[in-house]
Amino acid sequence: EAQVTQNPRYLITVTGKKLTVTCSQNMNHEYMSWYRQDPGLGLRQIYYSMNVEVTDKGDVPEGYKVSRKEKRNFPLILESPSPNQTSLYFCASSLYGQPMNTEAFFGQGTRLTVV
Amino acid sequence: AQSVTQPDIHITVSEGASLELRCNYSYGATPYLFWYVQSPGQGLQLLLKYFSGDTLVQGIKGFEAEFKRSQSSFNLRKPSVHWSDAAEYFCAVGVGDMRFGAGTRLTVKP
Repeated sequence: EAQVTQNPRYLITVTGKKLTVTCSQNMNHEYMSWYRQDPGLGLRQIYYSMNVEVTDKGDVPEGYKVSRKEKRNFPLILESPSPNQTSLYFCASSLYGQPMNTEAFFGQGTRLTVV
Repeated sequence: AQSVTQPDIHITVSEGASLELRCNYSYGATPYLFWYVQSPGQGLQLLLKYFSGDTLVQGIKGFEAEFKRSQSSFNLRKPSVHWSDAAEYFCAVGVGDMRFGAGTRLTVKP
């Protein structure tokens, strides 16, 4: 089954403790991205990757890191999480990147709470 | 400024009534247009998309959307809403990247 898998689904952590949210897709998609969803703000893009070893900042990259060493995986790293990073995070992938003219497939989301 | 606007934060309709969710965009060229639905606790699922051609597009679950270039709009419609349609709906545009509106939460009254 074609899917985007995020782990974990729920995470509660403390300020400053490094964490990684994994994302994996099995569709051989070139383009992957991370979003955060906050009430009233919709989805805002954190980082995206056009292909292996190619990543770039989205609208809200501060406090986040990503890497794309393999086509299928695109982990999101919070080196020193802070409470303002408490949010619902989504990973997405699509076949082509720019222009964005293909359907994006989304993971189930990761609800992160930083206390 | 480039933007995607969903003017209605929350809409309540009665089951069986018609529905229209509004979406306006502000970009120089006609972008690729999408509607996604997010059910509680779920990721986003594509309802429909518009790339070119016929301005009225049909999607899944009985939804349709009409692209109006003169109004820079891409409104989502459904003739008769079901209780299972209660969800959050996101309009998105593809302009080199995917940009989302803030979302419209739909509540369906019995």
